[in-house]
Amino acid sequence: EPEVTQTPSHQVTQMGQEVILRCVPISNHLYFYWYRQILGQKVEFLVSFYNNEISEKSEIFDDQFSVERPDGSNFTLKIRSTKLEDSAMYFCASSGDGSSYEQYFGPGTRLTVT
Amino acid sequence: SQQGEEDPQALSIQEGENATMNCSYKTSINNLQWYRQNSGRGLVHLILIRSNEREKHSGRLRVTLDTSKKSSSLLITASRAADTASYFCATENNAGNMLTFGGGTRLMVKP
Repeated sequence: EPEVTQTPSHQVTQMGQEVILRCVPISNHLYFYWYRQILGQKVEFLVSFYNNEISEKSEIFDDQFSVERPDGSNFTLKIRSTKLEDSAMYFCASSGDGSSYEQYFGPGTRLTVT
Repeated sequence: SQQGEEDPQALSIQEGENATMNCSYKTSINNLQWYRQNSGRGLVHLILIRSNEREKHSGRLRVTLDTSKKSSSLLITASRAADTASYFCATENNAGNMLTFGGGTRLMVKP
C-alpha cells in the first residue's frame, strides 16, 4: 500500500541553525501538508500546498518557514533559524487522488532544538 | 471549547467492551476525519465522514456526524488490547485545505 515517507526520523540541531525536513508524498496525490505536534499537545496545521503554491498557512508558519516541491516527488519544509520552541514532531501529509480526500500522514520527523 | 475537542480525554475499558469517543467542533466543515496515534508514532487514518453523511461504518468502527449539533462520535466495538492508542478527530475546513485537530482521547484497553 502506498505511504508517505519522511526523512530523517530524528533531527537534532542547535538554535539558530537551518533545518530541512523531507517528505515523499503518495505519488498520485495533489495536495501536500505539514503539521507539527509539540510533545503532549495537539497536532497543529502549518501549511498546505497545491499546484506548486501555498494554499493555506497558519499563524505558526511565519517567515522562518518555507516549503518547496523541488522535483516531482519530494516536498520539503525548511526552518531558517530554529528556536527552542520549534522542537516538535513534524508530520507531512498528502491527499487528493481525485476520488477521495483523506489526508494520509507520514511517520514524522522528531526535531530537537538545543 | 476549541474546534475539534474530544471527550473523554481518557478512557479505560476491558477487552471486548465497546469504546465511544465524542468530538465537538465550532465552525462549518467539509468533512470530519478520525485518526489513531500510538505513543510517539505517526497518525493512522481511520475513517472520513462527509458533512452530508450521518453515519459510516468500517469494520469495527462506527462514526456518526450531527452537523446541527456540530458533533461526531467514534464507536469501536469489541475492543482489543491492540486498540490502545490516542484517537483524534480532525475537521476539514470548507476550502478543503487544512485539518484542525482536537486534543484526542487516550484509550486504554485492558486484556
